[in-house]
Amino acid sequence: AQKITQTQPGMFVQEKEAVTLDCTYDTSDPSYGLFWYKQPSSGEMIFLIYQGSYDQQNATEGRYSLNFQKARKSANLVISASQLGDSAMYFCAMRGDGGATNKLIFGTGTLLAVQP
Amino acid sequence: DGGITQSPKYLFRKEGQNVTLSCEQNLNHDAMYWYRQDPGQGLRLIYYSQIVNDFQKGDIAEGYSVSREKKESFPLTVTSAQKNPTAFYLCASKPDTAFYNEQFFGPGTRLTVL
Repeated sequence: AQKITQTQPGMFVQEKEAVTLDCTYDTSDPSYGLFWYKQPSSGEMIFLIYQGSYDQQNATEGRYSLNFQKARKSANLVISASQLGDSAMYFCAMRGDGGATNKLIFGTGTLLAVQP
Repeated sequence: DGGITQSPKYLFRKEGQNVTLSCEQNLNHDAMYWYRQDPGQGLRLIYYSQIVNDFQKGDIAEGYSVSREKKESFPLTVTSAQKNPTAFYLCASKPDTAFYNEQFFGPGTRLTVL
């Protein structure tokens, strides 16, 4: 069975510092994709970054980077230079089944609070 | 502006009543999805549709029904058979192209059953 595990229910970080949000996954599919979404208090889900299982390099999108360690089955999100607006819930998700249906499986999320 | 709209944002219903949540997209996306989110939890897939007039059950389909008569619309009905319907419901869509890997989400509907 496919599963996403986020072990950090909540985290604090000082403004302008970097923070790492942990995500581990379990799948038997050889082809899969990993996603990070941000959910502010308003509720909408905002796509941040994507990593394909066959991608050789770690994905980066502006201040977001994904530390992909395939052997360890981890896909941690790194946010550099945190800003107050980064305070939100962060969800790690996985697309399995080879992408046939693009169904996503989500972790339970990490609540990030950025302190001034 | 292109996007996904869900209405209403907040919805209150009495126990035992069916209720339909709207999801419309003008992005010309082929696939659409419905997720449920409970407090402190991640999203769980209720139903999805990859093409008009076709849809499949997700992980928690019991007590829900959907239709996909038009490409841009994917309404979700929460029936009286759903034992715990109070939750935040999110609709998403995705184009049928490898260029986009992510799903695009609507703003959500918060359903409270009294």
